[in-house]
Amino acid sequence: NAGVTQTPKFRILKIGQSMTLQCTQDMNHNYMYWYRQDPGMGLKLIYYSVGAGITDKGEVPNGYNVSRSTTEDFPLRLELAAPSQTSVYFCAGWGAGELFFGEGSRLTVL
Amino acid sequence: GENVEQHPSTLSVQEGDSAVIKCTYSDSASNYFPWYKQELGKGPQLIIDIRSNVGEKKDQRIAVTLNKTAKHFSLHITETQPEDSAVYFCAENTGNQFYFGTGTSLTVIP
Repeated sequence: NAGVTQTPKFRILKIGQSMTLQCTQDMNHNYMYWYRQDPGMGLKLIYYSVGAGITDKGEVPNGYNVSRSTTEDFPLRLELAAPSQTSVYFCAGWGAGELFFGEGSRLTVL
Repeated sequence: GENVEQHPSTLSVQEGDSAVIKCTYSDSASNYFPWYKQELGKGPQLIIDIRSNVGEKKDQRIAVTLNKTAKHFSLHITETQPEDSAVYFCAENTGNQFYFGTGTSLTVIP
């Protein structure tokens, strides 16, 4: 099992550009999450999904969108990138009583 | 469930000494309290967890204690080793969501 896989690992965006962070899992998790991690701030929940076709906002959803067309994939979309979205993004799946994280995607918006 | 406080933010100990990290939470409905270790450039990984019907749990050199009345839980690492150096996060789970502390950067000095 690959677990939770995120791509890309690194990306630099210009202000106003759009991009999608990909997340896929092969552990058959129904619950999936997107977090952002900023220095000294811990992990903040952006969006989450409890199954295919169902998504909901977390603590910091503004500027982001998600979709969940399949159990495996949970992409995070940034439509108009802003410097405040410079962060490290983690996707996670919840199963067997444990939250499994991907390796992270470091995004810089200049 | 949104308020999890974690202390200290940084901690340095000599190899072989013990390290203690403390967290408090506000939601009395919380029933699951995991601890994660994050090494540089990696995603967080679960190291130990505790549920609300248990007061203490131990796994080799790490232990977690929970005081539901006072709404706090702690991570204890004994006989610390250089490879314990990392950032540690506490979290609490309420319903579908996990809320994280702001992290503790632990340095074990050889």
